[in-house]
Amino acid sequence: ETGVTQTPRHLVMGMTNKKSLKCEQHLGHNAMYWYKQSAKKPLELMFVYNFKEQTENNSVPSRFSPECPNSSHLFLHLHTLQPEDSALYLCASSQGTSGNNEQFFGPGTRLTVL
Amino acid sequence: KNEVEQSPQNLTAQEGEFITINCSYSVGISALHWLQQHPGGGIVSLFMLSSGKKKHGRLIATINIQEKHSSLHITASHPRDSAVYICAVGTGANSKLTFGKGITLSVRP
Repeated sequence: ETGVTQTPRHLVMGMTNKKSLKCEQHLGHNAMYWYKQSAKKPLELMFVYNFKEQTENNSVPSRFSPECPNSSHLFLHLHTLQPEDSALYLCASSQGTSGNNEQFFGPGTRLTVL
Repeated sequence: KNEVEQSPQNLTAQEGEFITINCSYSVGISALHWLQQHPGGGIVSLFMLSSGKKKHGRLIATINIQEKHSSLHITASHPRDSAVYICAVGTGANSKLTFGKGITLSVRP
């Protein structure tokens, strides 16, 4: 059983809607990540937070707005999305942020933008 | 050219076969990660290694730093091994992992 949970698991929204994705980790980690996985593409890093502070924004459009109130919770606020934003959004956490830290992934939110 | 290349792209095997999945990378790394993704999306970390070889159950991962190459071996494969296997590399202090496209493995009973 994963120590990282995500809700909702599936989300369908219109382009004018506002919705939020939630991630929670129960592993005592300090770093949390948002990834986007589109069909037939490698995982793309979106944001990294370390001790609640954003340390990486991988040129993500402003219609995606992350929030990290504490080291255990991470949100991704969505507004005025485009159909091409439809993808699997994965959250992950790790103890530290160097490249040799094992990342633990949540089950993902399957997002469809109509 | 991607920094992380995986081969073959798709692989079908018969139950019981020995399977090898390859990963090549073009940058200096601090660690290489092997991940497994089942239908439905969830990703599980299988191995993280920076040298040599690691074994867990029927899975073995090896890495050759000089050749910038890693292999994931599955012994006595089973249909439940059917999944996408993703290779990713970490490059030091930066938290950013670079991912391969993944290989879809189907093991037939």
